[in-house]
Amino acid sequence: EADIYQTPRYLVIGTGKKITLECSQTMGHDKMYWYQQDPGMELHLIHYSYGVNSTEKGDLSSESTVSRIRTEHFPLTLESARPSHTSQYLCASRERTEAFFGQGTRLTVV
Amino acid sequence: AQSVTQPDIHITVSEGASLELRCNYSYGATPYLFWYVQSPGQGLQLLLKYFSGDTLVQGIKGFEAEFKRSQSSFNLRKPSVHWSDAAEYFCAVGQGGGADGLTFGKGTHLIIQP
Repeated sequence: EADIYQTPRYLVIGTGKKITLECSQTMGHDKMYWYQQDPGMELHLIHYSYGVNSTEKGDLSSESTVSRIRTEHFPLTLESARPSHTSQYLCASRERTEAFFGQGTRLTVV
Repeated sequence: AQSVTQPDIHITVSEGASLELRCNYSYGATPYLFWYVQSPGQGLQLLLKYFSGDTLVQGIKGFEAEFKRSQSSFNLRKPSVHWSDAAEYFCAVGQGGGADGLTFGKGTHLIIQP
């Protein structure tokens, strides 16, 4: 079992609220990722990190931001949630040949 | 840019029958290739991976996949499916040591008929 955790699993929140999706891993991996997945669709990379104090934007433009203050922690923040942000967000960490995924956060903005 | 194509959006197979899920990729160098499975409301679980060596790779849950460079394919197979195999299956391609993530196909939804 992979040791990567996301909280909350499900979140329903009103428009305009600030939210933070948590992701933690205990495997000591330097590389971490956030993917966005709409229902029935593929995963799109929105953020990644090479290690502490490193953050990069992914292939899909996103209004969210990330931070990497500690190796094990890679939170994603939306300053002002909108209905268009409704999606599933998956966090992953990677060693050389394998990426480990959390169970995801299903976000609904109403 | 790398890309992954999974031509079949849905596949329906009878329990006990064999299965093949197709995956084609576009990548400039020798790719790292992966198959992941996702059950409803869950994250992704790695079934198998290929990065070098034997082109036929064995994975968990009785799955295998064959890398065919000439066809740019990495099809997933299972000789006899079980009802618990019903899920979404994603093929992905990525760089070996890179930190820029994996590129995923759109997924194939597998339905198992009793």
